[in-house]
Amino acid sequence: DGGITQSPKYLFRKEGQNVTLSCEQNLNHDAMYWYRQDPGQGLRLIYYSQIVNDFQKGDIAEGYSVSREKKESFPLTVTSAQKNPTAFYLCASSIGGSPSSGNTIYFGEGSWLTVV
Amino acid sequence: AQSVTQPDIHITVSEGASLELRCNYSYGATPYLFWYVQSPGQGLQLLLKYFSGDTLVQGIKGFEAEFKRSQSSFNLRKPSVHWSDAAEYFCAVGASGGGADGLTFGKGTHLIIQP
Repeated sequence: DGGITQSPKYLFRKEGQNVTLSCEQNLNHDAMYWYRQDPGQGLRLIYYSQIVNDFQKGDIAEGYSVSREKKESFPLTVTSAQKNPTAFYLCASSIGGSPSSGNTIYFGEGSWLTVV
Repeated sequence: AQSVTQPDIHITVSEGASLELRCNYSYGATPYLFWYVQSPGQGLQLLLKYFSGDTLVQGIKGFEAEFKRSQSSFNLRKPSVHWSDAAEYFCAVGASGGGADGLTFGKGTHLIIQP
């Protein structure tokens, strides 16, 4: 089945450690996104990538890093510089372009990160 | 910059009753409009979207939404809710000049279904 797979679903890490969240899609979508969700905050964009080997910062990129070496993969690293990393992280993709061009974003099932 | 407002943080509806979730946006031109639903601990699922044409849009799970340009609104409706509709609902706007990817989300409305 086509879709977006995020792993792991739940992740616990000690403060000060970097952690990488995986996101893989087999939809042949060009664009991929990472969002952070906190209670009552809606979704906030961390990074997005329109094509392989290229990505742009979103609204809350500080303390995060990404790579886009393959079209189907867009891993997110939460670094020790992120002051409050405990959150629900959502990966998404769209067939091309951005929603401002009328493209629909499809979401994965999310990953819970808890930093203790 | 564009913005999306979902005025109701929580809404409680009896099973079988009708539902309307409000969404207002701020943008100079006609944006692209989306409604997503999120079950607890899950990702977001697209319910419906409006790009152009007929202002009444049909979606999945019996939902519909109506775009009203004069009111800058895109309210979500369902004639009869089921207990399985209990979830978080997000309205989103895609338009140039918004967030970095052009998609701006409202903060969500939590729908509670009572027996």
